[in-house]
Amino acid sequence: SQTIHQWPATLVQPVGSPLSLECTVEGTSNPNLYWYRQAAGRGLQLLFYSVGIGQISSEVPQNLSASRPQDRQFILSSKKLLLSDSGFYLCAWSKGGLPYNEQFFGPGTRLTVL
Amino acid sequence: DQQVKQNSPSLSVQEGRISILNCDYTNSMFDYFLWYKKYPAEGPTFLISISSIKDKNEDGRFTVFLNKSAKHLSLHIVPSQPGDSAVYFCAALDSNYQLIWGAGTKLIIKP
Repeated sequence: SQTIHQWPATLVQPVGSPLSLECTVEGTSNPNLYWYRQAAGRGLQLLFYSVGIGQISSEVPQNLSASRPQDRQFILSSKKLLLSDSGFYLCAWSKGGLPYNEQFFGPGTRLTVL
Repeated sequence: DQQVKQNSPSLSVQEGRISILNCDYTNSMFDYFLWYKKYPAEGPTFLISISSIKDKNEDGRFTVFLNKSAKHLSLHIVPSQPGDSAVYFCAALDSNYQLIWGAGTKLIIKP
């Protein structure tokens, strides 16, 4: 069976500090990978998605970046965090290829920027 | 500009009664819709979906209805159980096969 891991579960960082959130998927190969953010009182906002190693699509302009160094590893980074980066970050995967395949979510990371 | 709207931030329902969660969308090109359920500090989990070629899809206690002319869909849960207390997200699939999410409705089932 497939599993998705995210860490850390919670993180408190000062403004201007760097960020690295990691997501790994087990039990599948060549998945589509996604980073979402849920801000307080708002829905899920797609930040990045990847259909393969080194292939990253950005959905919104921001000070965040994503990388996919390995097939089942997806990393969300920032060089300098802003207060507005606080939120709940979710990694998700789906089976590669079209048409649409159901997305499976990780447990999430609660980021608080002070 | 929200393309998928869930206008009720929260909903409180008595245990055993029917819960009805609503969702409206603006893009008539959307043809596939999903409902996800989310508990606090966890990722969302898929609940039920519906394609625009249907107007109803049922799975156990969960039924989703789609009214294409009104660009409206609803999720019915009957009977409601305490474990149904969660945030429910409506999502639509766009032409790039990406999900467009609503803001969510927090469902509270009262004993």
